[in-house]
Amino acid sequence: SQQGEEDPQALSIQEGENATMNCSYKTSINNLQWYRQNSGRGLVHLILIRSNEREKHSGRLRVTLDTSKKSSSLLITASRAADTASYFCASLSYNQGGKLIFGQGTELSVKP
Amino acid sequence: GAGVSQSPSNKVTEKGKDVELRCDPISGHTALYWYRQSLGQGLEFLIYFQGNSAPDKSGLPSDRFSAERTGGSVSTLTIQRTQQEDSAVYLCASSSGTGLWGANEKLFFGSGTQLSVL
Repeated sequence: SQQGEEDPQALSIQEGENATMNCSYKTSINNLQWYRQNSGRGLVHLILIRSNEREKHSGRLRVTLDTSKKSSSLLITASRAADTASYFCASLSYNQGGKLIFGQGTELSVKP
Repeated sequence: GAGVSQSPSNKVTEKGKDVELRCDPISGHTALYWYRQSLGQGLEFLIYFQGNSAPDKSGLPSDRFSAERTGGSVSTLTIQRTQQEDSAVYLCASSSGTGLWGANEKLFFGSGTQLSVL
């Protein structure tokens, strides 16, 4: 069964605005990863945060992890039209056999 | 190869036929994963390989689905007696697998196979 839940399911913003996507999971995790998918095909890894980390940055991306609330957020600052895509969180849990469990995704639309 | 390669990119088949989907992972990657994605949905885990063995087959939807990996490289996902509900994009991913079952490494995805069962 899917472990991750993402919120919102869809987000539409203007270029230059910030986009925040949230992810919740159900069991203890080893790490949590965020992926991007264009046009419903292959996913591209964006960032990985380990269970002992609380915040991580990569360029315009900022990820936070709150293990007490079993939640993570992805912030994209100064969004661009090229950021339009679906974004998925994926949690790794030893309780789930060490496989990555993906959420349902957030569809982000950035309007120029 | 330079990336994860999947073939065919698109497959149209008739209900009841068998299909084989192929995945060629990044050279040297020991971990290989198969996921399924229905239209507008998240990724559903199917099966995971570490080398040639599959420690986790828990996601295979039914006994019509099977997968194998030979030589620690290419993997084939076979769906027998296809049904219309099998229509989806089948995604393969690999990782270098240096952590627990490759658990700490990011996944590299192929472009997927779009399967349509008529």
